[in-house]
Amino acid sequence: AQKITQTQPGMFVQEKEAVTLDCTYDTSDQSYGLFWYKQPSSGEMIFLIYQGSYDEQNATEGRYSLNFQKARKSANLVISASQLGDSAMYFCAMREGWGNQGGKLIFGQGTELSVKP
Amino acid sequence: DVKVTQSSRYLVKRTGEKVFLECVQDMDHENMFWYRQDPGLGLRLIYFSYDVKMKEKGDIPEGYSVSREKKERFSLILESASTNQTSMYLCASSLVSNMNTEAFFGQGTRLTVV
Repeated sequence: AQKITQTQPGMFVQEKEAVTLDCTYDTSDQSYGLFWYKQPSSGEMIFLIYQGSYDEQNATEGRYSLNFQKARKSANLVISASQLGDSAMYFCAMREGWGNQGGKLIFGQGTELSVKP
Repeated sequence: DVKVTQSSRYLVKRTGEKVFLECVQDMDHENMFWYRQDPGLGLRLIYFSYDVKMKEKGDIPEGYSVSREKKERFSLILESASTNQTSMYLCASSLVSNMNTEAFFGQGTRLTVV
């Protein structure tokens, strides 16, 4: 069954340092996509980065990068040079399936990141 | 600008009431989702729909039903609200055609059942 696990309920990082948020997943599909979202205290869900199961390169978007290890079924988010505005909940998500019924999207439990000045 | 709109930001209902949560998207997306968000549990999928009148159960469908009569509108129905359904409810939509397209979310409805 499709499953996403985030084992870090809360994390602290010093401003300007890098931080890694863990995400492991379970799926029997060969074709799937992995997403990270940020949810600040305002509650909106902000899309950060995407990794496809067939992508050979790790995804990067500005200060965000995804450490994708397919054999280990992990998709960790790395935030470089943390900023105070990075304090938020972070969710890992997976989409599997394709075609007309494709698109079931499930989420992990989330990690609350606090950036210290 | 893409938009997913949920009809209410805050809602207070009594136990046993029938509750409707409405969600409308203006992006012509095929997929629409309903999640509930609880501390420590993340976002749990209640139902999703990949086409008009089509629906699939998510991980926690008990006590909920959905309706999708038009492509842009996806309704979540609590047939008889209970206190354990007090939660934040999030609606989202996405395209079917591309695996890499992200889902877009509404602002959420915080439902309290008393």
